[in-house]
Amino acid sequence: AQTVTQSQPEMSVQEAETVTLSCTYDTSENNYYLFWYKQPPSRQMILVIRQEAYKQQNATENRFSVNFQKAAKSFSLKISDSQLGDTAMYFCAFILGAQKLVFGQGTRLTINP
Amino acid sequence: EPEVTQTPSHQVTQMGQEVILRCVPISNHLYFYWYRQILGQKVEFLVSFYNNEISEKSEIFDDQFSVERPDGSNFTLKIRSTKLEDSAMYFCASREGGSYEQYFGPGTRLTVT
Repeated sequence: AQTVTQSQPEMSVQEAETVTLSCTYDTSENNYYLFWYKQPPSRQMILVIRQEAYKQQNATENRFSVNFQKAAKSFSLKISDSQLGDTAMYFCAFILGAQKLVFGQGTRLTINP
Repeated sequence: EPEVTQTPSHQVTQMGQEVILRCVPISNHLYFYWYRQILGQKVEFLVSFYNNEISEKSEIFDDQFSVERPDGSNFTLKIRSTKLEDSAMYFCASREGGSYEQYFGPGTRLTVT
């Protein structure tokens, strides 16, 4: 079974700092997709960034980038120049083929002014 | 930009009552999902639906749960006899055929008293 682990329950940084959220996953498959979702206090699930396992290049979306280490089964999210609006729960998620998303436990990120 | 919508945003019901949660997926999407998030916990998969039938369901999705696509736009989740432990946020998601990205609705907060 596929599992996703986020080892940091909570993180807190100052505005404008860079922060990295960790995620590891377990699968024996070779082709899959990884995602980071943001969940603000409204509890809406917002897709932040995605990575295809067959791509070696790390995905980037504006201030958000990932460090995808396939051999280590690691998928961390880096937020640069953090903003107050980045305060949220962040969930790492894995999907294999056309199946269900498997989520990690989440990291609560607080950006302090 | 097209989005997934869900109604109601919050529903309060008494234990033993039936509830129907409604979702309108993005119009050209073919795959539909329900996920559940108990407060403070991770998002868990309930069921996936494609071509008018269930593709996969989790252990949570027992005989008390059912899904239906009654027309060309709505996708519903019914809980026949609610229990206290059904209190959670329920998310609907959909995706188009050629992509693995699932787009989430804003969720329905179900409170069972």
